[in-house]
Amino acid sequence: AQSVTQLDSQVPVFEEAPVELRCNYSSSVSVYLFWYVQYPNQGLQLLLKYLSGSTLVESINGFEAEFNKSQTSFHLRKPSVHISDTAEYFCAVSRTGNTGKLIFGQGTTLQVKP
Amino acid sequence: DAGVIQSPRHEVTEMGQEVTLRCKPISGHNSLFWYRQTMMRGLELLIYFNNNVPIDDSGMPEDRFSAKMPNASFSTLKIQPSEPRDSAVYFCASSLVSGGNTEAFFGQGTRLTVV
Repeated sequence: AQSVTQLDSQVPVFEEAPVELRCNYSSSVSVYLFWYVQYPNQGLQLLLKYLSGSTLVESINGFEAEFNKSQTSFHLRKPSVHISDTAEYFCAVSRTGNTGKLIFGQGTTLQVKP
Repeated sequence: DAGVIQSPRHEVTEMGQEVTLRCKPISGHNSLFWYRQTMMRGLELLIYFNNNVPIDDSGMPEDRFSAKMPNASFSTLKIQPSEPRDSAVYFCASSLVSGGNTEAFFGQGTRLTVV
């Protein structure tokens, strides 16, 4: 079985500051890793994913995450946040071969202040 | 493609009534998933289908919940009878599971309130 722990339920940060949202996972088998973002009253949108290859993955809006197998982590980072990044962020894992059967963390609310 | 389409977006019903949530997956996707989101339990998988066949329904909370996928372009999640504790946001997602996997694409969700 897999599990995901997001270590912070809320992360307040000022605009243009860097941010890191932490995610650790547990699994006895190989996994895929994902970050999804949910804006208020919206569905989940994929932010970035790690399936294989380079352990550093990037999104089109400046977020990046690094897969660290030894530490079983997949932390999300952004060097400079915008007000529009305010949302809830979910880390998720799936077994390799089924990207839709996801185990989600509890979510981290990113609050970007002006 | 219009993405995963769910209806209705909002549903308010009285306890004991039957509720049916609907989902149209992305054309060409062969897997469909129903998730539930609550404050207490977060996002949890209820059931998923592969090629219209239910593969894993271990997340369905009890017999009051049922899901069907009569064809590749339509699925329903039914609650009968509904209870206040079923109030949640229900998401449908679809993906293509094959030699190369796509990620899961989520619908906008149905916010269910049972009073």
